[in-house]
Amino acid sequence: AQSVTQLDSQVPVFEEAPVELRCNYSSSVSVYLFWYVQYPNQGLQLLLKYLSGSTLVESINGFEAEFNKSQTSFHLRKPSVHISDTAEYFCALLGSGSARQLTFGSGTQLTVLP
Amino acid sequence: NAGVTQTPKFQVLKTGQSMTLQCAQDMNHNSMYWYRQDPGMGLRLIYYSASEGTTDKGEVPNGYNVSRLNKREFSLRLESAAPSQTSVYFCASRTRDYEQYFGPGTRLTVT
Repeated sequence: AQSVTQLDSQVPVFEEAPVELRCNYSSSVSVYLFWYVQYPNQGLQLLLKYLSGSTLVESINGFEAEFNKSQTSFHLRKPSVHISDTAEYFCALLGSGSARQLTFGSGTQLTVLP
Repeated sequence: NAGVTQTPKFQVLKTGQSMTLQCAQDMNHNSMYWYRQDPGMGLRLIYYSASEGTTDKGEVPNGYNVSRLNKREFSLRLESAAPSQTSVYFCASRTRDYEQYFGPGTRLTVT
């Protein structure tokens, strides 16, 4: 069975500080991983994805994530956060069955403080 | 290009009432999904449709039915609502390289 664990439910951080949101996964098959962001009262938006190739993937707004097979992790990082990054972040693992559905972690609420 | 749209945005039902949540996408995607989101539990798959005319159960299908009316539309029906179905419901569609696009959600309260 596949699973995703997000280790921190809440991460408060001051503006312009670095942040890391942790994600670990469990899977016995090929691993495709995603980070989604959810702003208040909105749907989820894709932030970045790892399907194959370079283990370091980047988003257009300064986030990056590194796929680490030996540690079964896909942590999300940003070197300097802004107030506008306040949102809930979900790590997700692509299923191997016919549905190809996403298995989501429980989410991490990132709150950027002024 | 509206992406994924959902109606209604909000709904309050009494226990035992029925309703249908509507979802439509204009991106010509084959696969569509219904999820529910509950605090601290992430999103859980209710039903999915791999293509027009096919549907299948996800992780939490009890109390729900779905219809894939055509390639664009995928509806979710609650036949007899229960308080445990109070949640936020999201519809999504998927590209060929596995990116899912989500609608804005329906906030449902069952009293």
